[in-house]
Amino acid sequence: NFMLTQPHSVSESPGKTVTISCTGSSGSISRSYVQWYQQRPGSAPTTLIYEDWRRPSEVPDRFSGSIDSSSNSASLTISGLKTEDEADYYCQSYDGSNWVFGGGTKLTVL
Amino acid sequence: EVELVESGGGVVQPGGSLRLSCAASGFTFDDYTMFWVRQGPGKGLEWVSSISWDGDRIHYADSVKGRFTVSRDNSKNSLYLQMSSLRTEDTAFYYCAKGGIIYWGQGTLVTGSS
Repeated sequence: NFMLTQPHSVSESPGKTVTISCTGSSGSISRSYVQWYQQRPGSAPTTLIYEDWRRPSEVPDRFSGSIDSSSNSASLTISGLKTEDEADYYCQSYDGSNWVFGGGTKLTVL
Repeated sequence: EVELVESGGGVVQPGGSLRLSCAASGFTFDDYTMFWVRQGPGKGLEWVSSISWDGDRIHYADSVKGRFTVSRDNSKNSLYLQMSSLRTEDTAFYYCAKGGIIYWGQGTLVTGSS
């Protein structure tokens, strides 16, 4: 079964840039689109990135997504960090018709 | 504006049944595959089920296969999840989500407890 691995936690200071990785267990991460979701404490998830790098219109361009085939990884980069970015972040892709989620990364902005 | 509103959650004894609903608005419901995703207490997101726009293609996570049934009524812009033989490990927030650009509902809490 295809799995996605994320770091358990990352931390960075306000105004800085942070990158969260999402590594595929087998095959090519490029074979299916990757999405990224943000979940603030006590709230439902929201979509930050879809189809590897596309942003919904309401998501600021501080958030960007990319794919690195050489490392079989997807990445979410957040620039100009704000305290409100403190949240859990999940990557998601597909195993056939089934969704697969990464385990989530807790971002601390301090 | 896309809106998804889940309902039907509650406390249910192990072995019991529950039916969740998701009312959709702000988009053409029968254009999109719909999904159920859950999140247990303190845990990550877990995909539960998906159903194509016409209901012809349905998929389930192994953890719920044979116990949960997903359906939709396009005339009512509604998605459903019939849950039976519930287990304590099914305790979670259940979210419905729209395909394409994924939009999420606010979730409904299902608690399996004796």
